[in-house]
Amino acid sequence: KNQVEQSPQSLIILEGKNCTLQCNYTVSPFSNLRWYKQDTGRGPVSLTIMTFSENTKSNGRYTATLDADTKQSSLHITASQLSDSASYICVVIRSNFGNEKLTFGTGTRLTIIP
Amino acid sequence: NAGVTQTPKFRILKIGQSMTLQCTQDMNHNYMYWYRQDPGMGLKLIYYSVGAGITDKGEVPNGYNVSRSTTEDFPLRLELAAPSQTSVYFCASSWVDEQYFGPGTRLTVT
Repeated sequence: KNQVEQSPQSLIILEGKNCTLQCNYTVSPFSNLRWYKQDTGRGPVSLTIMTFSENTKSNGRYTATLDADTKQSSLHITASQLSDSASYICVVIRSNFGNEKLTFGTGTRLTIIP
Repeated sequence: NAGVTQTPKFRILKIGQSMTLQCTQDMNHNYMYWYRQDPGMGLKLIYYSVGAGITDKGEVPNGYNVSRSTTEDFPLRLELAAPSQTSVYFCASSWVDEQYFGPGTRLTVT
């Protein structure tokens, strides 16, 4: 069964601290993996897109890693800011003859406190 | 460039009523999608379209219909609203890899 599991479900950290969010998946065949940020009451916004051959990709204070062998990804946030408070969703894409299917994780709810 | 817009933002329906959720994108994307997001669950694909005149079912299409007469618009129709359709609905569009999401419509069926 194609599944994406994220941990932790929720996380509270102090402003300025770092944190790491985890994503494990069983989706096959794997095409690429994306991390989205979803602010409360808004649609998801893409942070990174990682293909099979990429191990690490950074977008400002966000760094995503991918281990395609163990089917794990992580999102590391450095020097957190209050605006980082949001849900972070891991999405794994499988592609079959050009037809893309997205499997969404349930997200990690991150709260940054001053 | 407004991106993906959705209307209405909020709606309360009675059981058995019908409504159409509107979605418009101004990025000239061929691909458009409708998702629903239930509390504590990942987004589920309802319907998608690869271009004007072409639509296909996603994971959870029952109780919904779509049409795609233009590149810009992809409305989602609920014919006989049921409490199980209480959810937040997101429309998205894409060109190649990245999907761009609208702000969502929060629908409550009572």
